[in-house]
Amino acid sequence: GENVEQHPSTLSVQEGDSAVIKCTYSDSASNYFPWYKQELGKRPQLIIDIRSNVGEKKDQRIAVTLNKTAKHFSLHITETQPEDSAVYFCAASITGTYKYIFGTGTRLKVLA
Amino acid sequence: NAGVTQTPKFQVLKTGQSMTLQCAQDMNHEYMSWYRQDPGMGLRLIHYSVGAGITDQGEVPNGYNVSRSTTEDFPLRLLSAAPSQTSVYFCASSYAFGSTDTQYFGPGTRLTVL
Repeated sequence: GENVEQHPSTLSVQEGDSAVIKCTYSDSASNYFPWYKQELGKRPQLIIDIRSNVGEKKDQRIAVTLNKTAKHFSLHITETQPEDSAVYFCAASITGTYKYIFGTGTRLKVLA
Repeated sequence: NAGVTQTPKFQVLKTGQSMTLQCAQDMNHEYMSWYRQDPGMGLRLIHYSVGAGITDQGEVPNGYNVSRSTTEDFPLRLLSAAPSQTSVYFCASSYAFGSTDTQYFGPGTRLTVL
């Protein structure tokens, strides 16, 4: 079946540094890739997404890049702050279905 | 708007009991789905619906039933609870699938099966 691999599983960075989380997907025809942030005990919330016809999208300190040839996409957070500490999930739509596949998550810790 | 609501927030069941997890949204969203979240495994799709009267299976449907009689409600039924169904359950909804419309998640139900 289709899958999404996410790395790393944990990531610690100093406040102000950048953080990068990478996901690789198996369905070459996937066309929608959302990223979610989940704080401890809370629900996942969409922070940014990208469609397959776009290579990069930015929203203030957050950006997502997509490489369709290599079938991977990445989340970039610049100037990290303590409130960025959370678990981040990537996901991909599965072509021909109404399903999303999620990565296993990355726990980001921003050290003050 | 209340967004996506789920009840109950917490539930403890004994093996073999049945129950229904409720999910409702007031945003007139057509697409609704149920996920379970287990440590280290991310979110796994149980069942989904693309509109009233239309449901289908996700990755891990065994032991669960759903129905969608109205646009607003999408309950998840556990037929005979097992310890392997101990998890946090999230309901989600969006206007459409695979679009840039945000998928909104409910607050979750933490279920423990003894």
